[in-house]
Amino acid sequence: AQSVTQLDSQVPVFEEAPVELRCNYSSSVSVYLFWYVQYPNQGLQLLLKYLSGSTLVESINGFEAEFNKSQTSFHLRKPSVHISDTAEYFCAVTPRGFQKLVFGTGTRLLVSP
Amino acid sequence: DAGVIQSPRHEVTEMGQEVTLRCKPISGHDYLFWYRQTMMRGLELLIYFNNNVPIDDSGMPEDRFSAKMPNASFSTLKIQPSEPRDSAVYFCASSSSTGRIWTEAFFGQGTRLTVV
Repeated sequence: AQSVTQLDSQVPVFEEAPVELRCNYSSSVSVYLFWYVQYPNQGLQLLLKYLSGSTLVESINGFEAEFNKSQTSFHLRKPSVHISDTAEYFCAVTPRGFQKLVFGTGTRLLVSP
Repeated sequence: DAGVIQSPRHEVTEMGQEVTLRCKPISGHDYLFWYRQTMMRGLELLIYFNNNVPIDDSGMPEDRFSAKMPNASFSTLKIQPSEPRDSAVYFCASSSSTGRIWTEAFFGQGTRLTVV
């Protein structure tokens, strides 16, 4: 079985500062990894994903995440956050080729001016 | 495509009443998932279907919960009888894993259920 740990339940940060949201996973098989974002009263939207290939993946709005197999991590980073990035971020994992997503508990990113 | 469509967006019901949540997946997707989100337990997978067949319902909390997928374009999650502890946001998601095509899960906007 797979599991995901997001140790930080909330991360406060000032606008234009860098941020890192941590995600560690556990699995005995190869996995696909995802970051989803949830804005207030909305569903989850895919932010970025790692399926194979380059271990560094990027989103269209400046986020990036790096798959580190040895550390079983998939941390999310952004060099300069905006107020509009305030949301809850979920890390998720599924066995490679399968479709059973397991989510972490989420990290609430709070960006203040 | 309009994405995954859930109805209703909000539901308030009295304890003991039957509640039915509805979901229309993205056309062509062969997987459908029902998740529940609460502050205490986060996002929990309740059940998922592949080609309209339930594959894993181990997350369904108890017999009061049931889910069906009569065809590829419609699924329901029913709670009977409902209890206050069922209050949560219920999400439906769909994805595709057909042949060499694999997509991530796309989520609906959710149904916020309040049982009073």
